[in-house]
Amino acid sequence: AQSVAQPEDQVNVAEGNPLTVKCTYSVSGNPYLFWYVQYPNRGLQFLLKYITGDNLVKGSYGFEAEFNKSQTSFHLKKPSALVSDSALYFCAVRPNQAGTALIFGKGTTLSVSS
Amino acid sequence: EAEVAQSPRYKITEKSQAVAFWCDPISGHATLYWYRQILGQGPELLVQFQDESVVDDSQLPKDRFSAERLKGVDSTLKIQPAELGDSAMYLCASSFPGQGYGYTFGSGTRLTVV
Repeated sequence: AQSVAQPEDQVNVAEGNPLTVKCTYSVSGNPYLFWYVQYPNRGLQFLLKYITGDNLVKGSYGFEAEFNKSQTSFHLKKPSALVSDSALYFCAVRPNQAGTALIFGKGTTLSVSS
Repeated sequence: EAEVAQSPRYKITEKSQAVAFWCDPISGHATLYWYRQILGQGPELLVQFQDESVVDDSQLPKDRFSAERLKGVDSTLKIQPAELGDSAMYLCASSFPGQGYGYTFGSGTRLTVV
């Protein structure tokens, strides 16, 4: 079965420190990979995506993600965390198969302390 | 910036009652999705439309849930009768057709069944 795993329910970092939110996937072929962020009682907001090309993808609000095909991972990173980055982060994968929808991980809560 | 409109934002209903949610996607987005997000979990696809046609409703509990997009624009998701386990956030999203496109999500409808 095709799936996305976010192994950490919560990640805690201090403001100014680098952060990493992990994601691995199990999808056949060459999938498209996405990160979304969700604030309380709101919908999901797009952060970045990997389609093809450079393995390091830059997105909104200073976030970036690194695609690693051999490890089937797509970890989200930011060099210096802000308190305002505290939110729920979802990794999602879209199989390269016409008509298939995004498959989401269960989410990781990022908490940045001042 | 264009948005996906959803209403209502919050809904409280008694079990066994009927409830309906409405979604208006971004103009030009032919593909529309309804996802259900249970607290603490990632969104799960209920139904996917391409224009007015259902592409995937394999995870839609068809004994009580129905969805339509009659003119290929806005969409309605209905639950009848509602059950306690239906309490969740119902998210609508839209996108251009094609696997490389991300979604734009609405703010969601928070349903509480009592």
